[in-house]
Formats: sequence, C-alpha cells, structure tokens
Amino acid sequence: KAGVTQTPRYLIKTRGQQVTLSCSPISGHRSVSWYQQTPGQGLQFLFEYFSETQRNKGNFPGRFSGRQFSNSRSEMNVSTLELGDSALYLCASSFVGPGGNEAFFGQGTRLTVV
Amino acid sequence: AQTVTQSQPEMSVQEAETVTLSCTYDTSESDYYLFWYKQPPSRQMILVIRQEAYKQQNATENRFSVNFQKAAKSFSLKISDSQLGDAAMYFCAYRSAVGIQGAQKLVFGQGTRLTINP
Repeated sequence: KAGVTQTPRYLIKTRGQQVTLSCSPISGHRSVSWYQQTPGQGLQFLFEYFSETQRNKGNFPGRFSGRQFSNSRSEMNVSTLELGDSALYLCASSFVGPGGNEAFFGQGTRLTVV
Repeated sequence: AQTVTQSQPEMSVQEAETVTLSCTYDTSESDYYLFWYKQPPSRQMILVIRQEAYKQQNATENRFSVNFQKAAKSFSLKISDSQLGDAAMYFCAYRSAVGIQGAQKLVFGQGTRLTINP
C-alpha cells in the first residue's frame, strides 16, 4: 500500500502570494489532517477533513483553508502569504473505524516565504 | 484545552544503553489516546507506540515501552538497547476520545531530540 503522498516537497513563495499544497492519503483512509511545524511553535493542528467535510479546525487565521475531494485527496491553501508562514506542513491520514485510528504522516511540504 | 509537555529538549545515550524520555499532559477528559512519534531527519513522522487511557497495562513494541501513569498524567517512553537508527526527534502526542467520534486532532509536545553515541 502506498503511503501518504504530499506534493510538492519544497516550495518558495513571495510575501503576498497564495499557495496550494496537496495530500493524497493512504487508500481507504477517509480522514486527512494538516499540521504546521515550526521551530518556535512546534507542531500545531490546522484542520481535519472527513468525507469531504471539515470537522475540526485549529487556531489559525482565515487565510488558511482546505478542502477534501470525493477520492479523499485534500488540499490546503494559504492566501496572502506572510514570512511567518514559512514552515513544514505535514499531512496525516487515518482510517476511522474499529481497530484503526492511527495517523500516518506524509513527508511534508517545506514552504519558504521570502 | 489539552496540553502536552516534554521537559527534555535534548537527550543523549550510548549505543546499546537504555534511555527514558519524559512526557506529561494535562486534560480533564477520562478517555483519550497517547502516542509517541519519531521524526528522523527525513522529516516523516513515524508512530512508535500508542496507549489507550482505559488500558492499565503499559504498551510495548519490541525495544520500546511506555510507563503510563494516568493519575499523574505521565507517559514516558523507554528505549532499550539503543541503536544508531533511533536517533531522531521524539514527540509525545494526545488525542481525545470524546466529542466527535474518531476525530483525529493530535496535540503534540515540543519534542525531545535524541542522540545516540556510538
């Protein structure tokens, strides 16, 4: 079974631009969560999607948004980029059901805002 | 809100020795899951071990075991016979088991960087 795939792996953007990151979960996993990892703030939860619906959201400004498609693939978008958005963005997928629930992570997208 | 604290930013151990990483958490919930994740330089988070709060027995996975003290809200990870490949950042994480069924939000500690000395 293929693991969680995040694209692109690296991204450099300019302040004020917007960016879209993609996450393909493990086949059969319907939950996709996103996290931001920075040296200062550590790992922080952004949001979780399940069956195309956002069912949990972290404490991030509205510039951060996401969506999930019918095939469970998810995208997150950051608009009007700020220098502080530079981070590693991690996606995790989970099979929600009996016996499951571990989160499997992708390798992340390293976003640099200049 | 739940919080997770890892008080050891860095730890080092000699190869083949045993090391214990500390984690404490704060919650008012009685039902939850606790995890230890490993993040090597490749950046991919790998699940090391999980513990359900309702289980009194400490989880073990080969050389990895936990000491789960629910009343003290403590969840330490013991690595026996340390190997060079164990070098990584280790994160303790909490997930609620109440509220939205199957909700996957993880609350992470700040991490402990583990170095293995040959």
